[in-house]
Amino acid sequence: DQQVKQNSPSLSVQEGRISILNCDYTNSMFDYFLWYKKYPAEGPTFLISISSIKDKNEDGRFTVFLNKSAKHLSLHIVPSQPGDSAVYFCAASADTTHGGTSYGKLTFGQGTILTVHP
Amino acid sequence: DSGVTQTPKHLITATGQRVTLRCSPRSGDLSVYWYQQSLDQGLQFLIQYYNGEERAKGNILERFSAQQFPDLHSELNLSSLELGDSALYFCASSRDLVGGQQFFGPGTRLTVL
Repeated sequence: DQQVKQNSPSLSVQEGRISILNCDYTNSMFDYFLWYKKYPAEGPTFLISISSIKDKNEDGRFTVFLNKSAKHLSLHIVPSQPGDSAVYFCAASADTTHGGTSYGKLTFGQGTILTVHP
Repeated sequence: DSGVTQTPKHLITATGQRVTLRCSPRSGDLSVYWYQQSLDQGLQFLIQYYNGEERAKGNILERFSAQQFPDLHSELNLSSLELGDSALYFCASSRDLVGGQQFFGPGTRLTVL
């Protein structure tokens, strides 16, 4: 059961334009969402996160939007740069205050390969 | 550099063997997590330790085990290895038990022949 889904395996964007990466989730217990970037032969690097009490979080060129009713989040990169080319993973976690035992476990999507062309 | 170190970087072994992967978390981080990334798979959570105690378990095989030592470094033991165990194994750490971002190490690439 894929609780976090990134339906687009790849995305190609021109330098300077906006990149929009999408992520859907099914588990309503998720209340904290993160985006990671991964280059080949390296571990994932944290980009930006958002708590379920917010619907938007911005950090420089990166903005994450959360639509709880649709169980959907997106990462916007503006403007896109060739150095942004990497695999982007969406991840989610559930807070133990709901009485679960997920603790810090992150559930990841399959990833989207972003290619930014000069 | 995330501050999380993993050794070895690469490991090639044969089916039926046992290996140990090592992880040192960032200074001050008490939680250590292990993830597996197989071909065509996203990162799958295996297990979490917090300050020496096991706290959460994912779909970790019974052939796999882990521990966190008093100095907070962690080891993931994989035994009776099968071809399908070939994967990238990532360790991550965070300061707290829940929430917040996790910092990932560079990974150990395990190849089982």
